[in-house]
Amino acid sequence: DQQVKQNSPSLSVQEGRISILNCDYTNSMFDYFLWYKKYPAEGPTFLISISSIKDKNEDGRFTVFLNKSAKHLSLHIVPSQPGDSAVYFCAAREPTDKLIFGTGTRLQVFP
Amino acid sequence: GAGVSQSPSNKVTEKGKDVELRCDPISGHTALYWYRQSLGQGLEFLIYFQGNSAPDKSGLPSDRFSAERTGGSVSTLTIQRTQQEDSAVYLCASKPSSGGLNEQFFGPGTRLTVL
Repeated sequence: DQQVKQNSPSLSVQEGRISILNCDYTNSMFDYFLWYKKYPAEGPTFLISISSIKDKNEDGRFTVFLNKSAKHLSLHIVPSQPGDSAVYFCAAREPTDKLIFGTGTRLQVFP
Repeated sequence: GAGVSQSPSNKVTEKGKDVELRCDPISGHTALYWYRQSLGQGLEFLIYFQGNSAPDKSGLPSDRFSAERTGGSVSTLTIQRTQQEDSAVYLCASKPSSGGLNEQFFGPGTRLTVL
């Protein structure tokens, strides 16, 4: 049973436009949410995070929104750049400090 | 830079053989995690070490899988009698301490192929 779901396996966006990646979760005990970015043949790298007590966190072009009532979070990238093309994983942290990952969304930003 | 390193980067083995995968965490990081990513899947948690505490082995898929962490640093993931379904990328991550808001730092992974 997937506790963290990324229902869109892929997303294609034009350079300069906004990319919106979505993530849903089922466990209300998650206390922290993270987004990781992964290039081929490399390990995931941390991008941005948000505590469960917040509803928004912004870092440059990246903003994460959390809607606890809907158990939904999203990552906004604006403006999107070709270098943003990668697989993005949503992760949720259990109080035991274990991360549960989604299946990822492959983002392609084209010129 | 002194990031998380893993070896080997690629491993091809025959069904039924044992394999050992190594992880060198970032120096000083007390928490170490193993994950695997099968084709088309997300990252699946396997095992978690934190300092001298007993490891959280709740993600290990079978008793063929085991891991140890020597001296609070290097970790080895061992898969005995490998099966084709064990083929995946095995990722190791570390972080400075448990709890807190620190993200996990990942190594590049070991791609395991079981023929």
